[in-house]
Amino acid sequence: DTGVSQDPRHKITKRGQNVTFRCDPISEHNRLYWYRQTLGQGPEFLTYFQNEAQLEKSRLLSDRFSAERPKGSFSTLEIQRTEQGDSAMYLCASSFSGTNAGELFFGEGSRLTVL
Amino acid sequence: DAKTTQPPSMDCAEGRAANLPCNHSTISGNEYVYWYRQIHSQGPQYIIHGLKNNETNEMASLIITEDRKSSTLILPHATLRDTAVYYCIVKEGYSTLTFGKGTMLLVSP
Repeated sequence: DTGVSQDPRHKITKRGQNVTFRCDPISEHNRLYWYRQTLGQGPEFLTYFQNEAQLEKSRLLSDRFSAERPKGSFSTLEIQRTEQGDSAMYLCASSFSGTNAGELFFGEGSRLTVL
Repeated sequence: DAKTTQPPSMDCAEGRAANLPCNHSTISGNEYVYWYRQIHSQGPQYIIHGLKNNETNEMASLIITEDRKSSTLILPHATLRDTAVYYCIVKEGYSTLTFGKGTMLLVSP
């Protein structure tokens, strides 16, 4: 399968714990995006990378959230000191830059439940 | 904030055309119209995009009005597998995709 893969698909954690999600994009894509989606809402943009550079961060990305893409390939999204409000689906997507930058390929997401 | 308005839900009979409307009255000249869909428990899937002209691909057709203030996504022969939330998004070249709540399309037998 050469699509975007995310791991883990499901994570249940207790409030206050740290969690980390991993995203492996389509190998030819230089852009990688993180979105968050809660029930009944559309995906909300969190941040994106072009190669290893983090080019944009949403105001939704609080200090407890950090994303990295160290070698311009896979990315991790870490949430520290989780809160119940962090419960959501975390979606990763990748794309080319340039004229096809709007054609994002999404993974199936990592669902986080904070108890 | 989303710059588009879509009906919250629509129904369509299997085998018929599904016409999903989208209003984007404040669209600027360099903004594209993108359509994505999200089947339950999956990530969003790109469908089609356009600037001024009508576009067609293997999944759907996109009709954009001459004044560009609205568009319609057409699924010519809807199947049960087309049941999904459909998102209409306007986007400038350098900006990121901003999703609204979309339209829940239910295709029934």
